[in-house]
Amino acid sequence: GAGVSQSPSNKVTEKGKDVELRCDPISGHTALYWYRQSLGQGLEFLIYFQGNSAPDKSGLPSDRFSAERTGGSVSTLTIQRTQQEDSAVYLCASSLVWAAYSNQPQHFGDGTRLSIL
Amino acid sequence: KQEVTQIPAALSVPEGENLVLNCSFTDSAIYNLQWFRQDPGKGLTSLLLIQSSQREQTSGRLNASLDKSSGRSTLYIAASQPGDSATYLCAVTQGGSEKLVFGKGTKLTVNP
Repeated sequence: GAGVSQSPSNKVTEKGKDVELRCDPISGHTALYWYRQSLGQGLEFLIYFQGNSAPDKSGLPSDRFSAERTGGSVSTLTIQRTQQEDSAVYLCASSLVWAAYSNQPQHFGDGTRLSIL
Repeated sequence: KQEVTQIPAALSVPEGENLVLNCSFTDSAIYNLQWFRQDPGKGLTSLLLIQSSQREQTSGRLNASLDKSSGRSTLYIAASQPGDSATYLCAVTQGGSEKLVFGKGTKLTVNP
């Protein structure tokens, strides 16, 4: 596709349920990033993939959060036992190679708006 | 810990005005600095990326400058238009890391 695709665009679920958020990066992009945007905290880094490996998971807020990437392409972010404070927009980005070292921009999807009731 | 601050938080200007958005960061050991635009309900669009060795970048009516030693960047928008209305975010990539550290943004409104 032309850009980073995220699904679903909106998700409403009850507290305590598990949710899966999906990200399809731009074809050929080896680096993939997850961020969270909330009103109080702004945009925060969650996790970064290079291929299928995650060298930096430092932003995951708790062990309820996990992510995987398969085939060097699609990634899923899973939140278990959701809490109200998990309500936010979850944004995915991809870049051609390591964005920082190669000074490549990160290209963002439109995000998944997650609401926990 | 890197912290990025953007001032002002909101700005309203009449169409045609030239304007400057400010970004400051606390740790000068960065790889690069990026300016993004975010429209309501949308993701981020990369506007300009300035490498740590560069002083400025230009794209159309946009010009971004970087003073790494003082931890400051500015985004200059010439001849503003109503279509420029959006939130503008500044982000830095820290040396030794791939993650972007964002400011909280400046919400710009350009009035016709």
